[in-house]
Amino acid sequence: DAGVTQSPTHLIKTRGQQVTLRCSPISGHKSVSWYQQVLGQGPQFIFQYYEKEERGRGNFPDRFSARQFPNYSSELNVNALLLGDSALYLCASSSRQGDSTPEAFFGQGTRLTVV
Amino acid sequence: GQNIDQPTEMTATEGAIVQINCTYQTSGFNGLFWYQQHAGEAPTFLSYNVLDGLEEKGRFSSFLSRSKGYSYLLLKELQMKDSASYLCAVWGNYGQNFVFGPGTRLSVLP
Repeated sequence: DAGVTQSPTHLIKTRGQQVTLRCSPISGHKSVSWYQQVLGQGPQFIFQYYEKEERGRGNFPDRFSARQFPNYSSELNVNALLLGDSALYLCASSSRQGDSTPEAFFGQGTRLTVV
Repeated sequence: GQNIDQPTEMTATEGAIVQINCTYQTSGFNGLFWYQQHAGEAPTFLSYNVLDGLEEKGRFSSFLSRSKGYSYLLLKELQMKDSASYLCAVWGNYGQNFVFGPGTRLSVLP
């Protein structure tokens, strides 16, 4: 059974460009969350989607947006890229949403470098 | 506000025991998680505590005191492959997400 898959694994973009990152959750998982991890720091929460609706948003500018599709896969879009957007972008999937204890599984991440 | 603190770096010797501490102040609490992350890889789940006390899983144990906002991860019989970053994360009821600490980079020396 496949785990959480993310694509692409690595990406180089120029300042001002736009990027789309993709995530496929574990089969049967309906919740997808996105995190940004800058080198040497812990992951920072960006978005959570459950049943195709946004359920949580972290402290990121409007240049960041996301969506979840009927098959529960998700895309993260970042517009007008800045050098500071260079990071590892992690996708996590879990089966439940709400206050019940989650067991989240992380994908390998997409390493984005903005030059 | 939400704040999680853990030491930035630790060093230990192969075969030894190491304890990684984590303190937290969060607006909600539904569990404390420990993840292991090797360089360039995804975090992998190690342990989870929601009630006070010690949870043991093989060479790894995790402890939680909710009244003190404190947890630790205990690694026994250290192996070279345990060299990694260890992330402390709180699952709160605000925003339905993890709040991660900065991570502790553990180096295991021969």
